[in-house]
Amino acid sequence: KAGVTQTPRYLIKTRGQQVTLSCSPISGHRSVSWYQQTPGQGLQFLFEYFSETQRNKGNFPGRFSGRQFSNSRSEMNVSTLELGDSALYLCASSPPSSGPSTDTQYFGPGTRLTVL
Amino acid sequence: QKEVEQNSGPLSVPEGAIASLNCTYSDRGSQSFFWYRQYSGKSPELIMFIYSNGDKEDGRFTAQLNKASQYVSLLIRDSQPSDSATYLCAIPDSNYQLIWGAGTKLIIKP
Repeated sequence: KAGVTQTPRYLIKTRGQQVTLSCSPISGHRSVSWYQQTPGQGLQFLFEYFSETQRNKGNFPGRFSGRQFSNSRSEMNVSTLELGDSALYLCASSPPSSGPSTDTQYFGPGTRLTVL
Repeated sequence: QKEVEQNSGPLSVPEGAIASLNCTYSDRGSQSFFWYRQYSGKSPELIMFIYSNGDKEDGRFTAQLNKASQYVSLLIRDSQPSDSATYLCAIPDSNYQLIWGAGTKLIIKP
Protein backbone atom coordinates (compact mmCIF):
# COMPACT_ATOMS: atom_id res chain seq x y z
CA LYS A 1 0.00 0.00 0.00
CA ALA A 2 1.38 3.40 -0.96
CA GLY A 3 2.19 5.78 1.87
CA VAL A 4 1.13 9.37 2.37
CA THR A 5 2.32 11.60 -0.43
CA GLN A 6 2.83 15.34 -0.37
CA THR A 7 3.48 17.74 -3.19
CA PRO A 8 5.51 19.72 -3.82
CA ARG A 9 8.43 18.59 -1.68
CA TYR A 10 10.18 21.94 -1.78
CA LEU A 11 8.85 25.40 -2.41
CA ILE A 12 10.36 28.87 -2.40
CA LYS A 13 8.06 31.88 -2.23
CA THR A 14 8.36 35.55 -1.41
CA ARG A 15 6.58 37.51 1.26
CA GLY A 16 3.02 38.39 0.40
CA GLN A 17 2.50 35.49 -1.99
CA GLN A 18 0.18 32.60 -1.33
CA VAL A 19 0.88 28.89 -1.49
CA THR A 20 -1.12 25.68 -1.79
CA LEU A 21 0.21 22.37 -0.53
CA SER A 22 -1.31 19.00 -1.36
CA CYS A 23 -1.56 15.75 0.58
CA SER A 24 -2.82 12.36 -0.56
CA PRO A 25 -3.51 9.99 2.36
CA ILE A 26 -2.99 6.26 2.48
CA SER A 27 -5.75 4.51 0.55
CA GLY A 28 -8.77 4.01 2.80
CA HIS A 29 -7.74 6.64 5.33
CA ARG A 30 -10.30 9.41 5.74
CA SER A 31 -8.66 11.55 8.41
CA VAL A 32 -5.93 13.98 7.41
CA SER A 33 -4.05 16.21 9.85
CA TRP A 34 -1.67 19.04 9.04
CA TYR A 35 1.28 20.23 11.13
CA GLN A 36 3.85 22.97 10.95
CA GLN A 37 7.35 22.28 12.21
CA THR A 38 10.04 24.96 12.45
CA PRO A 39 13.71 24.18 13.20
CA GLY A 40 14.15 22.91 16.72
CA GLN A 41 10.42 23.08 17.40
CA GLY A 42 7.87 20.42 17.98
CA LEU A 43 4.86 19.67 15.86
CA GLN A 44 2.36 22.52 15.80
CA PHE A 45 -1.12 21.31 14.91
CA LEU A 46 -2.84 23.25 12.14
CA PHE A 47 -6.11 21.39 11.43
CA GLU A 48 -7.66 18.00 10.87
CA TYR A 49 -10.18 16.92 8.27
CA PHE A 50 -12.45 13.92 8.18
CA SER A 51 -14.88 13.16 5.37
CA GLU A 52 -14.49 16.65 3.89
CA THR A 53 -15.24 18.35 7.23
CA GLN A 54 -12.80 20.22 9.43
CA ARG A 55 -13.10 18.54 12.81
CA ASN A 56 -10.31 20.33 14.63
CA LYS A 57 -8.32 23.50 14.27
CA GLY A 58 -5.14 24.62 15.96
CA ASN A 59 -4.17 28.08 17.06
CA PHE A 60 -3.05 29.57 13.75
CA PRO A 61 -4.20 32.79 12.07
CA GLY A 62 -6.88 32.78 9.41
CA ARG A 63 -4.20 33.01 6.70
CA PHE A 64 -3.90 29.26 7.11
CA SER A 65 -6.79 27.32 5.64
CA GLY A 66 -7.45 23.88 4.31
CA ARG A 67 -9.95 21.63 2.67
CA GLN A 68 -10.54 17.98 1.94
CA PHE A 69 -11.99 16.45 -1.17
CA SER A 70 -14.33 13.50 -1.57
CA ASN A 71 -11.38 11.21 -2.34
CA SER A 72 -9.82 12.24 1.02
CA ARG A 73 -7.04 14.22 -0.62
CA SER A 74 -6.40 17.43 1.25
CA GLU A 75 -4.93 20.81 0.51
CA MET A 76 -3.76 23.57 2.76
CA ASN A 77 -3.38 27.16 1.72
CA VAL A 78 -1.36 29.95 3.25
CA SER A 79 -2.13 33.44 2.05
CA THR A 80 -0.03 36.57 2.43
CA LEU A 81 3.11 34.66 3.32
CA GLU A 82 5.37 35.94 6.08
CA LEU A 83 9.02 35.12 6.74
CA GLY A 84 7.96 33.19 9.84
CA ASP A 85 5.93 30.79 7.73
CA SER A 86 9.15 29.14 6.56
CA ALA A 87 8.83 25.62 7.90
CA LEU A 88 8.34 21.96 7.18
CA TYR A 89 4.65 21.30 6.62
CA LEU A 90 3.64 17.76 7.43
CA CYS A 91 0.50 15.90 6.60
CA ALA A 92 -0.57 12.71 8.36
CA SER A 93 -3.42 10.28 7.76
CA SER A 94 -5.16 7.93 10.18
CA PRO A 95 -6.90 4.60 9.56
CA PRO A 96 -10.67 4.30 9.92
CA SER A 97 -10.84 1.31 12.27
CA SER A 98 -11.78 1.70 15.92
CA GLY A 99 -9.48 1.33 18.89
CA PRO A 100 -5.91 2.53 19.40
CA SER A 101 -5.01 2.07 15.75
CA THR A 102 -7.50 4.78 14.81
CA ASP A 103 -5.34 7.33 16.58
CA THR A 104 -2.19 6.25 14.78
CA GLN A 105 -0.92 8.86 12.37
CA TYR A 106 1.20 8.08 9.34
CA PHE A 107 3.18 10.97 8.01
CA GLY A 108 4.05 12.06 4.53
CA PRO A 109 7.56 13.28 3.68
CA GLY A 110 6.56 16.90 4.16
CA THR A 111 6.78 20.06 2.11
CA ARG A 112 9.65 22.37 2.98
CA LEU A 113 8.51 25.94 2.42
CA THR A 114 11.00 28.78 2.33
CA VAL A 115 9.69 32.34 2.35
CA LEU A 116 12.15 34.99 1.19
CA GLN B 1 -5.80 20.89 28.32
CA LYS B 2 -3.83 17.69 28.09
CA GLU B 3 -0.07 18.05 28.28
CA VAL B 4 2.79 15.80 27.31
CA GLU B 5 6.24 16.51 28.71
CA GLN B 6 9.58 15.28 27.46
CA ASN B 7 13.12 16.27 28.34
CA SER B 8 14.44 18.03 25.23
CA GLY B 9 17.96 16.62 25.69
CA PRO B 10 20.22 16.03 24.02
CA LEU B 11 20.62 12.65 25.63
CA SER B 12 24.03 11.21 24.82
CA VAL B 13 24.46 7.44 25.05
CA PRO B 14 27.47 5.29 24.09
CA GLU B 15 27.02 2.83 21.26
CA GLY B 16 25.84 -0.54 22.52
CA ALA B 17 24.31 0.86 25.72
CA ILE B 18 20.63 1.16 26.61
CA ALA B 19 18.99 4.49 25.82
CA SER B 20 16.07 5.40 28.06
CA LEU B 21 13.60 8.07 26.96
CA ASN B 22 10.81 9.28 29.19
CA CYS B 23 7.49 10.99 28.71
CA THR B 24 5.00 12.18 31.33
CA TYR B 25 1.42 13.17 30.70
CA SER B 26 -1.20 15.14 32.56
CA ASP B 27 -4.45 13.29 31.78
CA ARG B 28 -4.90 10.29 34.00
CA GLY B 29 -7.61 9.02 31.66
CA SER B 30 -5.26 8.63 28.70
CA GLN B 31 -5.54 5.15 27.21
CA SER B 32 -2.98 4.83 24.44
CA PHE B 33 0.50 6.18 23.92
CA PHE B 34 2.65 6.53 20.85
CA TRP B 35 6.38 6.77 20.20
CA TYR B 36 7.66 8.24 16.97
CA ARG B 37 11.19 8.73 15.69
CA GLN B 38 12.17 11.71 13.58
CA TYR B 39 15.48 12.04 11.82
CA SER B 40 16.73 15.54 11.13
CA GLY B 41 14.90 17.03 8.16
CA LYS B 42 12.59 14.03 7.82
CA SER B 43 9.04 13.28 8.88
CA PRO B 44 8.12 11.37 12.05
CA GLU B 45 7.76 7.61 11.72
CA LEU B 46 5.85 5.38 14.11
CA ILE B 47 7.97 3.12 16.31
CA MET B 48 5.22 1.60 18.43
CA PHE B 49 2.17 2.27 20.52
CA ILE B 50 1.19 0.87 23.89
CA TYR B 51 -2.12 0.88 25.76
CA SER B 52 -1.69 -1.66 28.53
CA ASN B 53 0.29 -1.22 31.71
CA GLY B 54 3.63 -2.95 31.60
CA ASP B 55 6.10 -3.57 28.80
CA LYS B 56 5.73 -4.03 25.08
CA GLU B 57 8.73 -5.20 23.10
CA ASP B 58 9.48 -4.87 19.41
CA GLY B 59 12.99 -5.85 18.42
CA ARG B 60 15.46 -3.59 20.22
CA PHE B 61 12.66 -1.27 21.36
CA THR B 62 10.65 -1.66 24.56
CA ALA B 63 7.86 0.67 25.59
CA GLN B 64 6.99 0.76 29.28
CA LEU B 65 3.74 2.20 30.56
CA ASN B 66 2.93 3.12 34.13
CA LYS B 67 -0.54 4.65 34.27
CA ALA B 68 -0.48 5.13 38.04
CA SER B 69 2.60 7.33 37.77
CA GLN B 70 1.50 8.78 34.42
CA TYR B 71 4.65 8.10 32.49
CA VAL B 72 5.63 6.11 29.46
CA SER B 73 9.19 5.20 28.57
CA LEU B 74 11.00 3.95 25.50
CA LEU B 75 14.09 1.80 25.94
CA ILE B 76 16.45 1.17 23.06
CA ARG B 77 18.78 -1.75 23.64
CA ASP B 78 22.17 -2.12 21.94
CA SER B 79 21.98 1.50 20.75
CA GLN B 80 23.38 2.15 17.29
CA PRO B 81 24.51 5.43 15.71
CA SER B 82 21.54 5.07 13.35
CA ASP B 83 19.28 5.48 16.41
CA SER B 84 20.42 9.10 16.70
CA ALA B 85 17.23 11.08 16.16
CA THR B 86 14.53 12.99 17.99
CA TYR B 87 11.97 10.79 19.72
CA LEU B 88 8.43 12.10 20.05
CA CYS B 89 5.80 10.92 22.49
CA ALA B 90 2.13 11.44 21.64
CA ILE B 91 -1.22 10.85 23.34
CA PRO B 92 -4.70 10.99 21.76
CA ASP B 93 -7.19 13.46 23.08
CA SER B 94 -10.96 13.23 22.88
CA ASN B 95 -11.10 15.24 19.65
CA TYR B 96 -9.34 12.79 17.35
CA GLN B 97 -6.06 14.64 17.69
CA LEU B 98 -2.68 13.55 18.97
CA ILE B 99 -1.11 15.74 21.66
CA TRP B 100 2.62 15.80 21.05
CA GLY B 101 5.57 16.21 23.33
CA ALA B 102 8.38 18.48 22.16
CA GLY B 103 10.66 15.49 21.63
CA THR B 104 13.94 14.27 23.08
CA LYS B 105 17.05 14.46 20.93
CA LEU B 106 19.09 11.28 21.26
CA ILE B 107 22.75 11.08 20.25
CA ILE B 108 24.48 7.72 20.10
CA LYS B 109 28.25 8.12 20.35
CA PRO B 110 30.37 5.52 18.51
